[in-house]
Amino acid sequence: NAGVTQTPKFRILKIGQSMTLQCTQDMNHNYMYWYRQDPGMGLKLIYYSVGAGITDKGEVPNGYNVSRSTTEDFPLRLELAAPSQTSVYFCASSLTGELFFGEGSRLTVL
Amino acid sequence: GQQLNQSPQSMFIQEGEDVSMNCTSSSIFNTWLWYKQEPGEGPVLLIALYKAGELTSNGRLTAQFGITRKDSFLNISASIPSDVGIYFCAGRGAQKLVFGQGTRLTINP
Repeated sequence: NAGVTQTPKFRILKIGQSMTLQCTQDMNHNYMYWYRQDPGMGLKLIYYSVGAGITDKGEVPNGYNVSRSTTEDFPLRLELAAPSQTSVYFCASSLTGELFFGEGSRLTVL
Repeated sequence: GQQLNQSPQSMFIQEGEDVSMNCTSSSIFNTWLWYKQEPGEGPVLLIALYKAGELTSNGRLTAQFGITRKDSFLNISASIPSDVGIYFCAGRGAQKLVFGQGTRLTINP
């Protein structure tokens, strides 16, 4: 069982570039989440989804977009990358209340 | 919004010592979760608590859901080198899951 898979693991972007972080889960979980973790800090919720076709903003959604066309996939899009978006991004999924996390995607914006 | 205060922020201990950390909030939570994160990895669930007063163990780890529903504790007994990492609490109330800032555990052999 792969669980939650994120790609890429590492990426360097120039200011103003755009990219998509991919997340897929094979546990048939309805809930999926995107968090960012800044150095020495906890996890901040960017966006979440309670099921295919439904997404909602978390604490820090500015500069990001998401879509949920299938139960399995929940990509996170950065349209105009800014240095403030340098962070480690974690995707997670859950069925009831316990979140299962991917290994993270480390993004640097220069 | 709901916020969690996790303490201590960091701990430096000798191998074999016991460890205690806690999370408190001004809000009531229905679920408390404890996660461990190792370098370069995502958080991994250690213990889940669903009822006030609940005490649950996972090997050398024991966690409790506070009676007031506003706090939770995690204890690690007889620490070993592989316990090194960052431990996060997370609470779920009426709103979404909220994470604490983490406790960084360092162990001197």
